[in-house]
Amino acid sequence: DTEVTQTPKHLVMGMTNKKSLKCEQHMGHRAMYWYKQKAKKPPELMFVYSYEKLSINESVPSRFSPECPNSSLLNLHLHALQPEDSALYLCASSQESRRANTGELFFGEGSRLTVL
Amino acid sequence: QQQVKQSPQSLIVQKGGISIINCAYENTAFDYFPWYQQFPGKGPALLIAIRPDVSEKKEGRFTISFNKSAKQFSLHIMDSQPGDSATYFCAASNAGNNRKLIWGLGTSLAVNP
Repeated sequence: DTEVTQTPKHLVMGMTNKKSLKCEQHMGHRAMYWYKQKAKKPPELMFVYSYEKLSINESVPSRFSPECPNSSLLNLHLHALQPEDSALYLCASSQESRRANTGELFFGEGSRLTVL
Repeated sequence: QQQVKQSPQSLIVQKGGISIINCAYENTAFDYFPWYQQFPGKGPALLIAIRPDVSEKKEGRFTISFNKSAKQFSLHIMDSQPGDSATYFCAASNAGNNRKLIWGLGTSLAVNP
């Protein structure tokens, strides 16, 4: 069983809806990530939080808004999405020191998003 | 520009055979090379990883071979089993930007019983 828990597993939303994806880990990791994955493609990095501060934003459109309320939780707020945003959204975490991380990413099972 | 090139795109192997997936990179600053395994409906999971100070790393049936001069690394799965059927991604990162993995495009492996 994965130690990174994502909810919901499936989400269907219209283009005018506002929804949120949630991610939780209790491994004491201080780096947390959002990835987007299309079918038969590798994960694409969206955001990275390090010690609860946003450290990487891969030029993601503002209709995706990340939030890291504490060291165990990561949210992705969704608003005015487009059908092409339909994908599997993966949360991941990794150990982190102030200088570097250990490399290994622990992924959740993902939230499959469909935008109608 | 694809910085990590992975081949083949798909692979079919008979049970008990050897599965070989290859990756090549350009950036000599890369110093961490993991392989992730992803089953349908699941997130990727780290399978095995190597750093460039060693040429080979083995964990059970899985072996990474690393050729620093050729800038290539490969995954060998010995005695392949139907349960190994999954998508395999190679990746790379460097210490200067180690929160960002550069991923290969993936290899879909099917092991026939």
